[in-house]
Amino acid sequence: QKEVEQDPGPLSVPEGAIVSLNCTYSNSAFQYFMWYRQYSRKGPELLMYTYSSGNKEDGRFTAQVDKSSKYISLFIRDSQPSDSATYLCAMGGANTGGFKTIFGAGTRLFVKA
Amino acid sequence: EAGVAQSPRYKIIEKRQSVAFWCNPISGHATLYWYQQILGQGPKLLIQFQNNGVVDDSQLPKDRFSAERLKGVDSTLKIQPAKLEDSAVYLCASRYGGRGGNEQFFGPGTRLTVL
Repeated sequence: QKEVEQDPGPLSVPEGAIVSLNCTYSNSAFQYFMWYRQYSRKGPELLMYTYSSGNKEDGRFTAQVDKSSKYISLFIRDSQPSDSATYLCAMGGANTGGFKTIFGAGTRLFVKA
Repeated sequence: EAGVAQSPRYKIIEKRQSVAFWCNPISGHATLYWYQQILGQGPKLLIQFQNNGVVDDSQLPKDRFSAERLKGVDSTLKIQPAKLEDSAVYLCASRYGGRGGNEQFFGPGTRLTVL
């Protein structure tokens, strides 16, 4: 079983739709939960970062963490064509001497104008 | 603030050849990571440095991959000899660390094609 499971998609939605992206994980030791956005031929960039269970909102983006179910979600409201990218969930925690992050496979999102 | 720099951006080699990638992290970032991202997959950690010391290299294929971070700043990743399955994007990331400094900043990556 992979430590982090993420549906690779692709997911295609019309402009203005609400998008829901999800990941499950198996390691209860994870302390940090992140969403990265990766445009084609670019490196990932951090979108959302949460530490505890619950919701965190930033503009059109809401990250949700449910530690009891080992399930995290990213919601995008009023999706735009510029949101078309691959979204990677990631889990992190301190390891000896540093901070380690495990990434999901990424979900490819297409927002059609 | 300048971002993480990587070079080259693209490299095509034949199997059994050698290749090296270079990374210059954000100034002041103590932690540096090399990831391998195969098409359709998420980044997989190869090696993590804290300053110029190795913190985690458990997933680095040490028979063919090597990495160093001289003086705790720039880093190079080398593959010798390359195999077809090494075709991937090699991402470098850096992190400040300390309180509130858990975000990793990624470079644009080096896309390696092994023929």
